[in-house]
Amino acid sequence: AQTVTQSQPEMSVQEAETVTLSCTYDTSENNYYLFWYKQPPSRQMILVIRQEAYKQQNATENRFSVNFQKAAKSFSLKISDSQLGDTAMYFCAFIVFGNEKLTFGTGTRLTIIP
Amino acid sequence: DAGVTQSPTHLIKTRGQQVTLRCSPKSGHDTVSWYQQALGQGPQFIFQYYEEEERQRGNFPDRFSGHQFPNYSSELNVNALLLGDSALYLCASSLAVTGGNEQFFGPGTRLTVL
Repeated sequence: AQTVTQSQPEMSVQEAETVTLSCTYDTSENNYYLFWYKQPPSRQMILVIRQEAYKQQNATENRFSVNFQKAAKSFSLKISDSQLGDTAMYFCAFIVFGNEKLTFGTGTRLTIIP
Repeated sequence: DAGVTQSPTHLIKTRGQQVTLRCSPKSGHDTVSWYQQALGQGPQFIFQYYEEEERQRGNFPDRFSGHQFPNYSSELNVNALLLGDSALYLCASSLAVTGGNEQFFGPGTRLTVL
């Protein structure tokens, strides 16, 4: 069975600082995708960043980047120059290629303090 | 380009009743997945529809059923509602050829069972 673990239920950081959210996962599959989703109070689940497991290069999207360690099954999200609009629940998730079923972690509630 | 839409936004039912939730996928998408998100938890996969058939199912009882229409929209039906069915129900759409690695979520339907 595939599992995703987010060990930080809540985090807070000052505006403009950098914050890193942790995620570990477990799977016996070799071909999969990893995701970070953001869910603000509006409830809409928004894709932040995606990483293909076969790619060694870490994905980057503007202020968001990941540290993907395949051997350690670790997939952390770094948010640089944090902004008030980054306040949200963040979910780590993964999908086995061809399976199409997303498996989510329990989330990290991130608060950006003005 | 309309994204994923869901209706209704909120719903209140009593135990034993039946409920139907609706989802319209993003334009061009042919696959719809349903997730249940209990308060404070990550979404859990219920099932997925493609070509009007259930293609995959998570660990949910038969009280949960669905349907996909020729225009790719989908319904989630829950019979004999229990208090534990209270949750946010999320619909996600994707294109089958992408292997599910690009799922776009709707804003969800908040179901409260009294």
